[in-house]
Amino acid sequence: TQLLEQSPQFLSIQEGENLTVYCNSSSVFSSLQWYRQEPGEGPVLLVTVVTGGEVKKLKRLTFQFGDARKDSSLHITAAQPGDTGLYLCAGALYRDDKIIFGKGTRLHILP
Amino acid sequence: DTGVSQDPRHKITKRGQNVTFRCDPISEHNRLYWYRQTLGQGPEFLTYFQNEAQLEKSRLLSDRFSAERPKGSFSTLEIQRTEQGDSAMYLCASSPGSKAESGYTFGSGTRLTVV
Repeated sequence: TQLLEQSPQFLSIQEGENLTVYCNSSSVFSSLQWYRQEPGEGPVLLVTVVTGGEVKKLKRLTFQFGDARKDSSLHITAAQPGDTGLYLCAGALYRDDKIIFGKGTRLHILP
Repeated sequence: DTGVSQDPRHKITKRGQNVTFRCDPISEHNRLYWYRQTLGQGPEFLTYFQNEAQLEKSRLLSDRFSAERPKGSFSTLEIQRTEQGDSAMYLCASSPGSKAESGYTFGSGTRLTVV
């Protein structure tokens, strides 16, 4: 059973379009993180959200943590080919010192 | 470059052989984590260290796997009697503190292929 479910698994869209990917769980997390991973490399941290309802913006990327701290979303505005990659959400359960990952959303932006 | 370094980047080994991977974390980070990632999956937690102490091991980590961090700096992950199912990317990460929200810095990984 996957603790963090990410959807969609795959997404291929045209440059300039907007998109949202989701990370859902039935468990409550003390924090959630989003990473981007390129082929043959390790994940790179994009953002950490820690407060229920929190919204963070990173240029064209907007991250939201659900009020109940069980879910998160990543919205990309005006996607560019450089946004192509595997987007992973990862969460830390309360009283747990490690993070667990979802399976990721593989995003491909067509020029 | 003061990031997390992993060596080797790639390893091809015959089934039944032993392999050892090395991870050099960011020097001021006291937490070090090992994860394993197979195709189409997110990274799966294997084990982690606080300085030289190994604090948790996943049930994924069979008796053939052992990890050390002898002086609280670099870490090694050894797999004995490798099996084809061990083929994966082995990722090391470090973090500056005990709170997960401080974020992990990952290395580029070691890709293991068991033939």
